[in-house]
Amino acid sequence: RKEVEQDPGPFNVPEGATVAFNCTYSNSASQSFFWYRQDCRKEPKLLMSVYSSGNEDGRFTAQLNRASQYISLLIRDSKLSDSATYLCVVNEVYYTNAGKSTFGDGTTLTVKP
Amino acid sequence: DAGVTQSPTHLIKTRGQQVTLRCSPKSGHDTVSWYQQALGQGPQFIFQYYEEEERQRGNFPDRFSGHQFPNYSSELNVNALLLGDSALYLCASSLLDRPNYGYTFGSGTRLTVV
Repeated sequence: RKEVEQDPGPFNVPEGATVAFNCTYSNSASQSFFWYRQDCRKEPKLLMSVYSSGNEDGRFTAQLNRASQYISLLIRDSKLSDSATYLCVVNEVYYTNAGKSTFGDGTTLTVKP
Repeated sequence: DAGVTQSPTHLIKTRGQQVTLRCSPKSGHDTVSWYQQALGQGPQFIFQYYEEEERQRGNFPDRFSGHQFPNYSSELNVNALLLGDSALYLCASSLLDRPNYGYTFGSGTRLTVV
């Protein structure tokens, strides 16, 4: 079993739709969490950190459920430019960049006109 | 402000050869991590350098080694290349004491082993 698991998709949604991705992690020592976005044949880029209380950045909302060990990402009012692969990332060390960050294999989103 | 710079962008090597990949971190960053990304998979952690020392290592054999220089730049060396080493190698820089800033990735070196 992988340490970080994501539904690979693809998720195909129309513009304006709301879409949600989930991610589960197996290491209960994981302490910091992120969502990254990766466009085709490009490098990953940080989308947002995920806080215990949940956090929002414009159309994007991230939630963390420590008891169930899963993280979610909600995208509202999808745009064509949101088409990408979304990578879930967990880090063992509490809120530092030190140590190993484990990436999921990503969920692919395609937003269609 | 230059981001993370990696060189070369593409590389073709023969099985058994050795390769060195280079990374210059984003200005002001002090930590460099290396990742291997195979097609259709997420990046896999190789190792991380801070203050010129390897702080943590992923599940990669000793054929993979690295170095960090006083100017924070870094090298990844792979010896005795195997066909399975063909992948995108990503360098990520960060600030050790700014965790929520996450990583800044370079555009990667695409290594093909034939």
